[in-house]
Amino acid sequence: GNSVTQMEGPVTLSEEAFLTINCTYTATGYPSLFWYVQYPGEGLQLLLKATKADDKGSNKGFEATYRKETTSFHLEKGSVQVSDSAVYFCALNRMDSNYQLIWGAGTKLIIKP
Amino acid sequence: DAGVIQSPRHEVTEMGQEVTLRCKPISGHDYLFWYRQTMMRGLELLIYFNNNVPIDDSGMPEDRFSAKMPNASFSTLKIQPSEPRDSAVYFCASSRPGQGANGYTFGSGTRLTVV
Repeated sequence: GNSVTQMEGPVTLSEEAFLTINCTYTATGYPSLFWYVQYPGEGLQLLLKATKADDKGSNKGFEATYRKETTSFHLEKGSVQVSDSAVYFCALNRMDSNYQLIWGAGTKLIIKP
Repeated sequence: DAGVIQSPRHEVTEMGQEVTLRCKPISGHDYLFWYRQTMMRGLELLIYFNNNVPIDDSGMPEDRFSAKMPNASFSTLKIQPSEPRDSAVYFCASSRPGQGANGYTFGSGTRLTVV
């Protein structure tokens, strides 16, 4: 079946450090892949997405590349800020239902000044 | 656009009481989703609607939970009777026609505490 596995958190970094949050998936077919971010006390917001292999999604300095060969969609940012502290969720859409998402468990990111 | 609007933001209730959570989707969005978020289980899809019709309610935990969408601009999630294990953050999300999961917008959630 379809599933998403994220690295466990919390991930604690200093400001301006390089960020990688790992995400791997299992799926039948070629789903779209997403990263959502949840800031404290708020709902989830779409951060970036990729709809086919080798696509790179990017937004707000974050990037992730759809790697079919390694079934991965790792989130990266070259220089994090305190304001990036949040929970990050990796997700894919179910192939039998384009409107339903399969979610990872979320990774909490803490950036220290 | 005001986004997906949920009310109340916080709800504290006693075990056994009825709880009603409300959601107003973005105008023109024809899919509406109810999610529950807990530390133990993460994000769980409870039910979703298309054009006001429930499509999949297999995530609804038990008969104490019910959801309705009487029109395109309003949905409710009701828990009767409530139990402490229902304590969670409940999110509503809506999606644009033809966009699938690419068009998801979440509300800010309702934090429910059952004591």
